[in-house]
Amino acid sequence: SQQGEEDPQALSIQEGENATMNCSYKTSINNLQWYRQNSGRGLVHLILIRSNEREKHSGRLRVTLDTSKKSSSLLITASRAADTASYFCATVERSNDYKLSFGAGTTVTVRA
Amino acid sequence: SAVISQKPSRDICQRGTSLTIQCQVDSQVTMMFWYRQQPGQSLTLIATANQGSEATYESGFVIDKFPISRPNLTFSTLTVSNMSPEDSSIYLCSVDIAGGPANEQYFGPGTRLTVT
Repeated sequence: SQQGEEDPQALSIQEGENATMNCSYKTSINNLQWYRQNSGRGLVHLILIRSNEREKHSGRLRVTLDTSKKSSSLLITASRAADTASYFCATVERSNDYKLSFGAGTTVTVRA
Repeated sequence: SAVISQKPSRDICQRGTSLTIQCQVDSQVTMMFWYRQQPGQSLTLIATANQGSEATYESGFVIDKFPISRPNLTFSTLTVSNMSPEDSSIYLCSVDIAGGPANEQYFGPGTRLTVT
């Protein structure tokens, strides 16, 4: 079963704007990860944040984690047309730490 | 990192038939997984492919419908048996090369299956 719920389901922004998407989950986690999928292809790992971390950066990506609210956010700054994709959060639960449980995903469209 | 290839990349099959999907990794890995992604949906884990033993299936997935082989540490197959239109999905394999509590996974490009 899916652990994460993401919002919004879809997001359309202009090139250069920032995109923010959120992920909520239900159980205690070991870590939370964000992945990108272009046009139904394979997923690409973006960033991993551990349960004892609150914020992490990678290039134009910023991820936050609030374990008290069981939620995470992904911010993409200065978006580009190439950022058009579906973004998924995935959690590693403490009770099942061998596998990822994926959220429903957010589809981001960046208009040129 | 790991480079993963899948064959076929896509196929159109008739109901009642079976399709075997291959997943090849460029290095030896312990943990290999098979996922299903139904149209417009997220990924659902089908099973963990174990080398030298039976696969470990998630709730809702059974070996008779999705038999999996893992003959060595670089290769696995997933068969979708007795297909129906509801099996139309993208099937993806992935690997976790780091071991321990799940780290980042590397995904293959997926196999897009359409059942008519």
